[in-house]
Amino acid sequence: DVQLVESGGGLVQPGGSLRLSCAASGFTFSTYSMNWVRQAPAKGLEWVSYMSGTSTIKYADSVKGRFTISRDNAKNSLYLQMSSLRAEDTAVYYCARGLRGNYLADAFDIWGQGTMVTVSS
Amino acid sequence: QSALTQPASVSGSPGQSITISCTGTSSDVGGYNYVSWYQQHPGKAPKLMIYDVINRPSGVSNRFSGSKSGNTASLTISGLQAEDEADYYCSSYTSTSPLYVFGTGTKVTVL
Repeated sequence: DVQLVESGGGLVQPGGSLRLSCAASGFTFSTYSMNWVRQAPAKGLEWVSYMSGTSTIKYADSVKGRFTISRDNAKNSLYLQMSSLRAEDTAVYYCARGLRGNYLADAFDIWGQGTMVTVSS
Repeated sequence: QSALTQPASVSGSPGQSITISCTGTSSDVGGYNYVSWYQQHPGKAPKLMIYDVINRPSGVSNRFSGSKSGNTASLTISGLQAEDEADYYCSSYTSTSPLYVFGTGTKVTVL
């Protein structure tokens, strides 16, 4: 089965750091772009970051300079290094696969179950 | 780049049809045929229902259909069923930043 499983969420103080992981299985990971999408409590979806299989990277302005996306195709894993965390970063973070492979303009066809990040003192 | 505009709620009786609108700009919805729709049940991850404005992924019921006119995309659910009660989000690729923008979300209630 095609599957994405996130991990690494938790409670962190403002200004702190956290690294999220997304383990992929059931498909050729290196041939697909991957994204992070977040959802604050009782709020809508917000796209956070994109990384193609060939290392093209994009960020939302709200996280640029604070978050770093990366991937290890040998380990079928996607990562999100988050630093200088703020209360407004509190959300469920989902990893999501690009439908068509390594296309910039795409839809998200496979989603993980999400991992909760809470930024609070 | 602001979120795409969706109605907060839409309701219908079983068997009826409902339509959810998603309004953007010429930099997103109006400029590209890369509009997608997602269904999200409470506590669950979103599920892709429509991509590229009109296409359904394998396994998605043909009761779900998409369309677009100008800067507004629409999702129609026909033959409404109790299991369709969920939140629905549109999304579009954009020519600016961010790379993708989501809609404000619509809660669908089956009466």
